[in-house]
Amino acid sequence: EAQVTQNPRYLITVTGKKLTVTCSQNMNHEYMSWYRQDPGLGLRQIYYSMNVEVTDKGDVPEGYKVSRKEKRNFPLILESPSPNQTSLYFCASSPLWTGQGYGYTFGSGTRLTVV
Amino acid sequence: RKEVEQDPGPFNVPEGATVAFNCTYSNSASQSFFWYRQDCRKEPKLLMSVYSSGNEDGRFTAQLNRASQYISLLIRDSKLSDSATYLCVVNMGNRDDKIIFGKGTRLHILP
Repeated sequence: EAQVTQNPRYLITVTGKKLTVTCSQNMNHEYMSWYRQDPGLGLRQIYYSMNVEVTDKGDVPEGYKVSRKEKRNFPLILESPSPNQTSLYFCASSPLWTGQGYGYTFGSGTRLTVV
Repeated sequence: RKEVEQDPGPFNVPEGATVAFNCTYSNSASQSFFWYRQDCRKEPKLLMSVYSSGNEDGRFTAQLNRASQYISLLIRDSKLSDSATYLCVVNMGNRDDKIIFGKGTRLHILP
């Protein structure tokens, strides 16, 4: 089944403890992206990647890191999580550039709470 | 002007009715446009891309008006299962993949 898989689905952690949210897609998609969704703010792009070893900042990159060493994986790293990073996170992938009309397929989400 | 703006709703519509949403965008260089639906606590799912000539998929019709910088979504013969939040999404037009989501319009179909 074609899908984007995120893990974990739920995570509660303490301030300052490094964590990684994994994302993997099995569709051989070129583009991958991370979003966070907060009440009243909607979905905001954190980072995106157009191919292996090519990443760029979205609208809210502060406090996050990403890497794209393989095409299928795009982990999101929080080096020192803070309570304002409590949010619902989505990973997504697209076959090609969205400017050509390709939409994103989203993972099921990771609900992160930082206390 | 916000980059992508939608009426948040909620729209409470009786089953079988026709409902339309609009979405405005600020960047005239925007290249591509989409409608997604999101059910409560679920991931967004692509409903349809929006093409310049307009496009239809069953009961759903999407239109793009570049001159006025808005896109629209029309749902005919609405079903209870159409209850969701509808997200307008715009690619900002560069050769990167920066896309902006609207905050969504909530739709409740009433039996």
